[in-house]
Amino acid sequence: DAGVIQSPRHEVTEMGQEVTLRCKPISGHDYLFWYRQTMMRGLELLIYFNNNVPIDDSGMPEDRFSAKMPNASFSTLKIQPSEPRDSAVYFCASTVGGTDTQYFGPGTRLTVL
Amino acid sequence: AQSVAQPEDQVNVAEGNPLTVKCTYSVSGNPYLFWYVQYPNRGLQFLLKYITGDNLVKGSYGFEAEFNKSQTSFHLKKPSALVSDSALYFCAVRDPLTTGNQFYFGTGTSLTVIP
Repeated sequence: DAGVIQSPRHEVTEMGQEVTLRCKPISGHDYLFWYRQTMMRGLELLIYFNNNVPIDDSGMPEDRFSAKMPNASFSTLKIQPSEPRDSAVYFCASTVGGTDTQYFGPGTRLTVL
Repeated sequence: AQSVAQPEDQVNVAEGNPLTVKCTYSVSGNPYLFWYVQYPNRGLQFLLKYITGDNLVKGSYGFEAEFNKSQTSFHLKKPSALVSDSALYFCAVRDPLTTGNQFYFGTGTSLTVIP
């Protein structure tokens, strides 16, 4: 298996632009998590899905952030409009319920100028 | 509230010496405990986990961790450190009865192994 796949690996954009981050979980995994990592705040859970349904989005910072999972093999995290404080590394992780171990993608490094 | 604490931001150890990275947790039920490692510009990689059973858990790359319920700790250890062990280490906790599949990660400990 190729593991969790994220794209793009790097994204540089200007303030006010829309940003879409993509994630393909490991085949057969039924949970998908989005995290944000910054030096100041460490690793923060933004939202997670079970069987494509959002379960807990309490970590989503504000309405500018939205996440979708239209099917079991694809999820997006969208920021509209983006702001410089959104600059961070965004990780996607997946797991099979009951097996506990989360598998992380390589991350997307987002820079908002 | 569920939480995990890593009291040291930075740990330095000489190559060949034993290393310990500390983690304490606070959960209301029975914890599932994990250690992950992050190398520069990479995602987190699973090292080991404690669910139940033997308090000493062995994981990847020669790492092990000991679950201590009375001290609510889950310290990561390795008998002989390698330069290649230098990375960022995260402790995580999950309580299936109260938090479902949500993990709580510590703030991370940067380990530097000095040649």
